[in-house]
Amino acid sequence: AQSVAQPEDQVNVAEGNPLTVKCTYSVSGNPYLFWYVQYPNRGLQFLLKYITGDNLVKGSYGFEAEFNKSQTSFHLKKPSALVSDSALYFCAVRDGATGRRALTFGSGTRLQVQP
Amino acid sequence: EAGVTQFPSHSVIEKGQTVTLRCDPISGHDNLYWYRRVMGKEIKFLLHFVKESKQDESGMPNNRFLAERTGGTYSTLKVQPAELEDSGVYFCASSPNFGRAETQYFGPGTRLLVL
Repeated sequence: AQSVAQPEDQVNVAEGNPLTVKCTYSVSGNPYLFWYVQYPNRGLQFLLKYITGDNLVKGSYGFEAEFNKSQTSFHLKKPSALVSDSALYFCAVRDGATGRRALTFGSGTRLQVQP
Repeated sequence: EAGVTQFPSHSVIEKGQTVTLRCDPISGHDNLYWYRRVMGKEIKFLLHFVKESKQDESGMPNNRFLAERTGGTYSTLKVQPAELEDSGVYFCASSPNFGRAETQYFGPGTRLLVL
């Protein structure tokens, strides 16, 4: 079985400050990890993914995430937050060692960036 | 390139009625997925089509839910009869068939409210 934990329901950060949205995962095989963002009244937008290779993954809108195998984490980061980054962020995982493609999502973290 | 589209965007029905949701994937994407987010909880996988075949339907909650993808293009998800606990947001996603590491691209979702 696979699972994702996003321990923070909400993260508040001031504009211009760095932000981190936490994600830890559990999977029996090879983790394929994803971050999606949902803006108000919109669908899920893909931000970035880790499949293999460099542990630091860069994605859309200046976001990046670091894969840490020993800590089973895949935290989302951005050096300087914008008010427009305020949204709901979802971490997801699937087991790359199997043919099953279903994503398992975390419960989501609401990011609020204050001007 | 057009993204994944879903219809309707919102649906309000009474308990016991039938509702049919439609998803049009990105053109050329063989893989089509249904997910749902109920009561603001985690986004849960429902099923996965490869072209017109059901590859994985392990997430379908019960036999009141019927998904089809005739001709391997658009898909429908029918709920009959609808129950109160079916309220939530139903997402559709699609992905190309480049291998197991491909990204799933999501539609805007259908917000279903069962009264």
